[in-house]
Amino acid sequence: QSALTQPASVSGSPGQSITISCTGTSSDVGGYDSVSWYQQHPGKAPKLLIYEVTNRPSGVSNRFSGSKSGNTASLTISGLQAEDEADYYCSSDTTITTWVFGGGTKLTVL
Amino acid sequence: EVQLVESGGGLVQPGGSLRLSCVASGFTFSDYWMHWVRQAPGKGLLWVSRINNYGSATSYADSVKGRFTISRDDAKNTLYLQMNSLRADDTAVYYCARGGVRAAFDIWGQGTMVTVSS
Repeated sequence: QSALTQPASVSGSPGQSITISCTGTSSDVGGYDSVSWYQQHPGKAPKLLIYEVTNRPSGVSNRFSGSKSGNTASLTISGLQAEDEADYYCSSDTTITTWVFGGGTKLTVL
Repeated sequence: EVQLVESGGGLVQPGGSLRLSCVASGFTFSDYWMHWVRQAPGKGLLWVSRINNYGSATSYADSVKGRFTISRDDAKNTLYLQMNSLRADDTAVYYCARGGVRAAFDIWGQGTMVTVSS
Protein backbone atom coordinates (compact mmCIF):
# COMPACT_ATOMS: atom_id res chain seq x y z
CA GLN A 1 0.00 0.00 0.00
CA SER A 2 2.57 2.58 -1.11
CA ALA A 3 1.41 6.17 -1.37
CA LEU A 4 0.89 7.69 -4.78
CA THR A 5 3.64 10.13 -5.80
CA GLN A 6 2.87 13.84 -5.96
CA PRO A 7 5.22 16.83 -6.06
CA ALA A 8 5.63 18.32 -2.60
CA SER A 9 4.89 21.83 -3.80
CA VAL A 10 3.86 23.87 -6.81
CA SER A 11 3.33 27.57 -7.25
CA GLY A 12 1.82 29.99 -9.70
CA SER A 13 0.69 33.56 -10.06
CA PRO A 14 -2.94 34.69 -10.12
CA GLY A 15 -4.52 33.98 -13.49
CA GLN A 16 -1.99 31.34 -14.45
CA SER A 17 -2.56 27.60 -14.79
CA ILE A 18 -0.78 24.89 -12.82
CA THR A 19 -0.78 21.10 -13.05
CA ILE A 20 -0.25 18.62 -10.24
CA SER A 21 0.78 15.09 -11.14
CA CYS A 22 -0.07 11.88 -9.30
CA THR A 23 1.87 8.76 -10.21
CA GLY A 24 0.93 5.25 -9.17
CA THR A 25 1.07 1.79 -10.66
CA SER A 26 -1.05 -0.52 -12.76
CA SER A 27 -2.55 -1.79 -9.51
CA ASP A 28 -4.11 1.55 -8.69
CA VAL A 29 -4.05 4.68 -10.88
CA GLY A 30 -3.32 2.81 -14.10
CA GLY A 31 -5.75 0.00 -13.46
CA TYR A 32 -8.93 1.91 -12.75
CA ASP A 33 -10.75 5.06 -13.79
CA SER A 34 -11.38 5.90 -10.16
CA VAL A 35 -8.81 8.62 -9.45
CA SER A 36 -10.17 11.44 -7.34
CA TRP A 37 -8.71 14.75 -6.16
CA TYR A 38 -9.23 16.67 -2.92
CA GLN A 39 -8.54 20.19 -1.74
CA GLN A 40 -7.72 20.83 1.91
CA HIS A 41 -7.35 24.24 3.51
CA PRO A 42 -5.47 24.46 6.83
CA GLY A 43 -7.50 23.12 9.73
CA LYS A 44 -10.34 22.02 7.48
CA ALA A 45 -11.61 18.70 6.21
CA PRO A 46 -10.74 17.69 2.65
CA LYS A 47 -13.21 18.56 -0.11
CA LEU A 48 -13.83 16.45 -3.21
CA LEU A 49 -12.82 18.28 -6.38
CA ILE A 50 -12.68 15.56 -9.07
CA TYR A 51 -13.95 11.97 -9.23
CA GLU A 52 -13.63 9.26 -11.89
CA VAL A 53 -10.52 11.03 -13.25
CA THR A 54 -12.36 13.87 -14.98
CA ASN A 55 -15.73 14.53 -13.33
CA ARG A 56 -16.54 17.50 -11.11
CA PRO A 57 -19.16 17.33 -8.36
CA SER A 58 -21.91 19.90 -8.46
CA GLY A 59 -20.66 23.23 -7.14
CA VAL A 60 -16.97 22.74 -7.97
CA SER A 61 -15.57 25.40 -10.28
CA ASN A 62 -14.84 24.42 -13.87
CA ARG A 63 -11.37 25.90 -13.33
CA PHE A 64 -10.51 22.49 -11.89
CA SER A 65 -10.01 19.65 -14.38
CA GLY A 66 -8.55 16.17 -14.28
CA SER A 67 -6.93 13.77 -16.72
CA LYS A 68 -5.00 10.52 -16.79
CA SER A 69 -2.40 8.86 -18.96
CA GLY A 70 -1.17 5.41 -18.05
CA ASN A 71 -0.15 5.31 -14.39
CA THR A 72 -0.16 9.11 -13.97
CA ALA A 73 -3.16 11.30 -13.25
CA SER A 74 -3.12 15.09 -13.30
CA LEU A 75 -5.09 17.94 -11.79
CA THR A 76 -5.04 21.26 -13.62
CA ILE A 77 -6.18 24.49 -12.04
CA SER A 78 -6.69 27.32 -14.49
CA GLY A 79 -7.11 31.00 -13.74
CA LEU A 80 -5.40 30.67 -10.35
CA GLN A 81 -7.02 32.58 -7.52
CA ALA A 82 -5.76 33.39 -4.04
CA GLU A 83 -8.32 31.07 -2.47
CA ASP A 84 -6.87 28.13 -4.41
CA GLU A 85 -3.88 28.17 -2.06
CA ALA A 86 -4.26 24.85 -0.22
CA ASP A 87 -3.03 21.28 -0.08
CA TYR A 88 -4.16 18.93 -2.84
CA TYR A 89 -4.36 15.14 -2.65
CA CYS A 90 -5.05 12.48 -5.24
CA SER A 91 -6.55 9.11 -4.40
CA SER A 92 -7.29 5.81 -6.09
CA ASP A 93 -8.73 2.47 -5.13
CA THR A 94 -6.59 -0.60 -5.70
CA THR A 95 -6.83 -4.16 -6.86
CA ILE A 96 -7.20 -5.43 -3.29
CA THR A 97 -10.14 -3.25 -2.24
CA THR A 98 -8.04 -0.74 -0.39
CA TRP A 99 -7.51 2.92 -1.13
CA VAL A 100 -4.35 4.94 -1.41
CA PHE A 101 -3.67 8.68 -1.27
CA GLY A 102 -0.87 10.72 -2.70
CA GLY A 103 1.53 12.41 -0.32
CA GLY A 104 -0.07 15.78 -0.99
CA THR A 105 0.97 18.92 -2.87
CA LYS A 106 1.09 22.36 -1.32
CA LEU A 107 -0.05 25.00 -3.80
CA THR A 108 1.24 28.51 -3.26
CA VAL A 109 -0.36 31.39 -5.13
CA LEU A 110 2.36 34.00 -5.53
CA GLU B 1 -28.08 19.04 4.95
CA VAL B 2 -25.81 16.10 4.30
CA GLN B 3 -23.51 15.82 7.30
CA LEU B 4 -21.08 13.54 9.12
CA VAL B 5 -20.13 14.26 12.73
CA GLU B 6 -17.32 12.35 14.43
CA SER B 7 -16.77 11.97 18.14
CA GLY B 8 -14.84 9.84 20.60
CA GLY B 9 -11.34 11.16 20.15
CA GLY B 10 -9.06 12.05 23.02
CA LEU B 11 -5.84 11.25 24.84
CA VAL B 12 -5.03 7.58 25.40
CA GLN B 13 -1.92 5.77 26.63
CA PRO B 14 0.07 3.48 24.35
CA GLY B 15 -1.53 0.05 24.31
CA GLY B 16 -4.93 1.49 25.15
CA SER B 17 -8.22 1.45 23.28
CA LEU B 18 -10.65 3.98 21.95
CA ARG B 19 -13.89 3.83 19.96
CA LEU B 20 -14.72 6.52 17.45
CA SER B 21 -18.24 7.24 16.24
CA CYS B 22 -19.53 9.04 13.17
CA VAL B 23 -23.19 10.03 12.97
CA ALA B 24 -24.63 10.59 9.52
CA SER B 25 -27.58 12.79 8.60
CA GLY B 26 -29.23 14.15 5.48
CA PHE B 27 -28.88 10.99 3.39
CA THR B 28 -29.82 7.30 3.45
CA PHE B 29 -26.85 6.01 5.43
CA SER B 30 -27.58 2.33 4.71
CA ASP B 31 -27.09 2.89 0.95
CA TYR B 32 -23.43 3.88 1.18
CA TRP B 33 -20.02 2.40 1.79
CA MET B 34 -18.23 4.31 4.55
CA HIS B 35 -14.56 4.96 5.30
CA TRP B 36 -12.17 6.16 7.95
CA VAL B 37 -9.24 8.32 6.86
CA ARG B 38 -6.62 9.77 9.19
CA GLN B 39 -4.10 12.58 9.08
CA ALA B 40 -1.15 12.76 11.45
CA PRO B 41 -0.11 16.27 12.53
CA GLY B 42 1.53 18.05 9.60
CA LYS B 43 1.26 14.97 7.40
CA GLY B 44 -0.86 13.76 4.51
CA LEU B 45 -4.04 11.74 4.33
CA LEU B 46 -3.96 8.01 5.00
CA TRP B 47 -6.86 5.70 4.23
CA VAL B 48 -7.58 3.50 7.26
CA SER B 49 -10.61 1.30 6.63
CA ARG B 50 -13.89 0.84 4.75
CA ILE B 51 -17.13 -1.04 5.21
CA ASN B 52 -19.67 -1.85 2.55
CA ASN B 53 -23.28 -0.80 2.68
CA TYR B 54 -24.42 -4.14 4.12
CA GLY B 55 -21.74 -4.27 6.77
CA SER B 56 -20.68 -7.63 5.38
CA ALA B 57 -17.32 -6.65 3.91
CA THR B 58 -14.49 -4.65 5.40
CA SER B 59 -10.92 -3.83 4.48
CA TYR B 60 -8.03 -2.20 6.31
CA ALA B 61 -4.70 -0.53 5.74
CA ASP B 62 -1.79 -2.79 6.64
CA SER B 63 -0.76 -0.40 9.42
CA VAL B 64 -3.99 -1.00 11.38
CA LYS B 65 -4.97 -4.53 10.35
CA GLY B 66 -5.59 -6.73 13.36
CA ARG B 67 -5.82 -3.75 15.73
CA PHE B 68 -8.72 -1.68 14.35
CA THR B 69 -12.28 -2.82 13.59
CA ILE B 70 -14.78 -0.89 11.51
CA SER B 71 -18.51 -1.45 12.00
CA ARG B 72 -21.83 0.25 11.41
CA ASP B 73 -25.30 0.46 12.90
CA ASP B 74 -27.69 1.48 10.15
CA ALA B 75 -30.58 1.84 12.62
CA LYS B 76 -28.57 4.57 14.36
CA ASN B 77 -27.01 6.00 11.18
CA THR B 78 -23.66 5.53 12.87
CA LEU B 79 -20.23 4.34 11.78
CA TYR B 80 -17.69 3.12 14.31
CA LEU B 81 -13.96 2.52 14.54
CA GLN B 82 -12.78 0.38 17.45
CA MET B 83 -9.07 1.02 17.94
CA ASN B 84 -7.06 -1.36 20.13
CA SER B 85 -3.35 -1.67 20.94
CA LEU B 86 -2.88 1.99 20.10
CA ARG B 87 0.61 3.25 19.29
CA ALA B 88 2.14 6.70 19.19
CA ASP B 89 2.07 6.65 15.39
CA ASP B 90 -1.72 6.31 15.47
CA THR B 91 -1.86 9.92 16.67
CA ALA B 92 -3.91 11.77 14.07
CA VAL B 93 -7.15 13.50 13.18
CA TYR B 94 -9.56 10.77 12.18
CA TYR B 95 -12.14 11.61 9.52
CA CYS B 96 -15.12 9.57 8.49
CA ALA B 97 -16.01 9.87 4.82
CA ARG B 98 -18.84 8.67 2.62
CA GLY B 99 -17.97 6.43 -0.29
CA GLY B 100 -19.41 8.09 -3.35
CA VAL B 101 -19.24 7.35 -7.04
CA ARG B 102 -16.36 5.14 -8.18
CA ALA B 103 -14.29 5.09 -5.03
CA ALA B 104 -14.39 8.84 -4.32
CA PHE B 105 -14.86 10.19 -0.80
CA ASP B 106 -17.63 12.67 -1.45
CA ILE B 107 -18.66 13.80 2.04
CA TRP B 108 -16.28 14.28 4.99
CA GLY B 109 -16.80 14.89 8.66
CA GLN B 110 -14.92 17.59 10.57
CA GLY B 111 -12.60 15.04 12.16
CA THR B 112 -11.81 13.95 15.72
CA MET B 113 -8.32 14.11 17.22
CA VAL B 114 -6.74 11.01 18.72
CA THR B 115 -3.53 11.45 20.71
CA VAL B 116 -1.59 8.40 21.87
CA SER B 117 0.89 9.39 24.53
CA SER B 118 2.01 8.49 28.03
